[in-house]
Amino acid sequence: NAGVTQTPKFRILKIGQSMTLQCTQDMNHNYMYWYRQDPGMGLKLIYYSVGAGITDKGEVPNGYNVSRSTTEDFPLRLELAAPSQTSVYFCASSLTGTGGNTIYFGEGSWLTVV
Amino acid sequence: AQSVSQHNHHVILSEAASLELGCNYSYGGTVNLFWYVQYPGQHLQLLLKYFSGDPLVKGIKGFEAEFIKSKFSFNLRKPSVQWSDTAEYFCAVSGSSASKIIFGSGTRLSIRP
Repeated sequence: NAGVTQTPKFRILKIGQSMTLQCTQDMNHNYMYWYRQDPGMGLKLIYYSVGAGITDKGEVPNGYNVSRSTTEDFPLRLELAAPSQTSVYFCASSLTGTGGNTIYFGEGSWLTVV
Repeated sequence: AQSVSQHNHHVILSEAASLELGCNYSYGGTVNLFWYVQYPGQHLQLLLKYFSGDPLVKGIKGFEAEFIKSKFSFNLRKPSVQWSDTAEYFCAVSGSSASKIIFGSGTRLSIRP
């Protein structure tokens, strides 16, 4: 019952460092998403993908990059970490588009940039 | 612009009290509506969803929500809350063929034992 798996769960980065948040799903879902969650702000969509090789920007894409080389994996890359990127990051997936479909979330990755 | 508004940021209730959390949306066209719940330290889970049919939707753990199209609302209700309902609740909306979902800012629910 793996579902959506994210790593790492916790990470502290220094300003200017780079890192990749890994996300994989074993449900053969076509759609995958990256959200960030800030206190009192709800979830904001960073990037999403409708299938392997296809990605698109969400509401807050600046400072991030993604790739989707396989159906299972959707890594999120931070190139030059900034304090404003301190947040909780959630990867999610759904079988097809969100019309009527449930989104399944990973357990989250807590990132602190100092 | 597409948006979801949850006006109650933090609600505090006693056990057995009735609950209603407000959700209003702005979205052109046919909508799908969701309530997700995030228990402390856990990831988001689907509570219930509406995409067609009966506007009164029943979800897990005794929750229900009513879609009122004329008011652009999808309020969440529970007749009698329990301490275990302490969590953050998110309303969300998407178009019927949309590829992404828009979330509200969330309502934190605290239940006094």
